[in-house]
Amino acid sequence: AQSVTQPDIHITVSEGASLELRCNYSYGATPYLFWYVQSPGQGLQLLLKYFSGDTLVQGIKGFEAEFKRSQSSFNLRKPSVHWSDAAEYFCAVGVPGSQGNLIFGKGTKLSVKP
Amino acid sequence: DSGVTQTPKHLITATGQRVTLRCSPRSGDLSVYWYQQSLDQGLQFLIQYYNGEERAKGNILERFSAQQFPDLHSELNLSSLELGDSALYFCASSVGGGGALDTQYFGPGTRLTVL
Repeated sequence: AQSVTQPDIHITVSEGASLELRCNYSYGATPYLFWYVQSPGQGLQLLLKYFSGDTLVQGIKGFEAEFKRSQSSFNLRKPSVHWSDAAEYFCAVGVPGSQGNLIFGKGTKLSVKP
Repeated sequence: DSGVTQTPKHLITATGQRVTLRCSPRSGDLSVYWYQQSLDQGLQFLIQYYNGEERAKGNILERFSAQQFPDLHSELNLSSLELGDSALYFCASSVGGGGALDTQYFGPGTRLTVL
């Protein structure tokens, strides 16, 4: 069965520092990959997605993610974190040819120090 | 604002009761998905409807049911509620009939508390 692992439950970074959130998936082929962000009291907002092609994907709010097939990873990065980036981040996979439901990781909570 | 609306925002009820959560998808979207977010299970897919028909089923309990109406809004019915049903329930919508290529847009959620 497909699964998604986000190894870091909580990460704290200083404002202006770089950020990398880890995501590993388990699936026999290349799934569709997504990163969502959930701000306190809000729903989930799509940051970026990968279906095929260029393995470096650009998203909204200055985020990018890199698909590495050999490592079954899809890590999210941002070169300089802003205080407003404090939120919970979810990695998700969608299985090609499936009915479309997403399988989510448990999330990584990001705190930003001033 | 994703364009997906959910009501109510908060719901407090007692064990054994029944509640209905409502979702209106984005204009033009035909699919509605329901997810449950709890502390122990994380975000789990419950069920998907496309244009009024059930399309996919996930970890949905038999005590839960859903439907999608001709105007495409959807309702999730939770009955014989237990303490463990306390969670945040999200609705998402997408344009097409499913397939993971369809980007899902999430509503703000309904927080259910069962006392």
